[in-house]
Amino acid sequence: EPEVTQTPSHQVTQMGQEVILRCVPISNHLYFYWYRQILGQKVEFLVSFYNNEISEKSEIFDDQFSVERPDGSNFTLKIRSTKLEDSAMYFCASSGRQGARSEQYFGPGTRLTVT
Amino acid sequence: DAKTTQPNSMESNEEEPVHLPCNHSTISGTDYIHWYRQLPSQGPEYVIHGLTSNVNNRMASLAIAEDRKSSTLILHRATLRDAAVYYCILRENSGGSNYKLTFGKGTLLTVNP
Repeated sequence: EPEVTQTPSHQVTQMGQEVILRCVPISNHLYFYWYRQILGQKVEFLVSFYNNEISEKSEIFDDQFSVERPDGSNFTLKIRSTKLEDSAMYFCASSGRQGARSEQYFGPGTRLTVT
Repeated sequence: DAKTTQPNSMESNEEEPVHLPCNHSTISGTDYIHWYRQLPSQGPEYVIHGLTSNVNNRMASLAIAEDRKSSTLILHRATLRDAAVYYCILRENSGGSNYKLTFGKGTLLTVNP
């Protein structure tokens, strides 16, 4: 069964450093998302992406964050200058269609630890 | 997205059915009801969704009240692997903000052997 994959599984970085989290969505999907989950808290939406453009972003997704689909398979989340409060699990998701009926398929996540 | 209310936690015994309730009294006529679950240390996983009629798939059944103000996710025979946080999420059937999923705290299901 096709699945979303994410690398690395765990990333440790120092405050102020740039990190890139990588995702390979399901191959025929067109809609891509990033979510994050701070330890013990809810899963929070960050950004959605379709047709090489951001469709929607949350208040969390400020100028320090960016997303890119550099080729036909990868979808990346970049944090330019990490802060302690960016420590969280980051989940990538993809969907084959849009709308209220669509299912989203999530990857296993990348645990980001900022020290 | 419209608000949902779920119990914080529930317990079940292995191989018994589990009924996970969700209240959504402010649901609008075109909102879809989705259920996701999150196993420990994993990403969320799609379970099932519906609009008005009851739905079945290989993972679960979704029973939707006639007035649509509540729904119940039914796991027919719980296994230890079903221990997870279960999220009931409403999704508006309109443009723009329906791209994202808005997660609440969900129901933590414990399955006893």
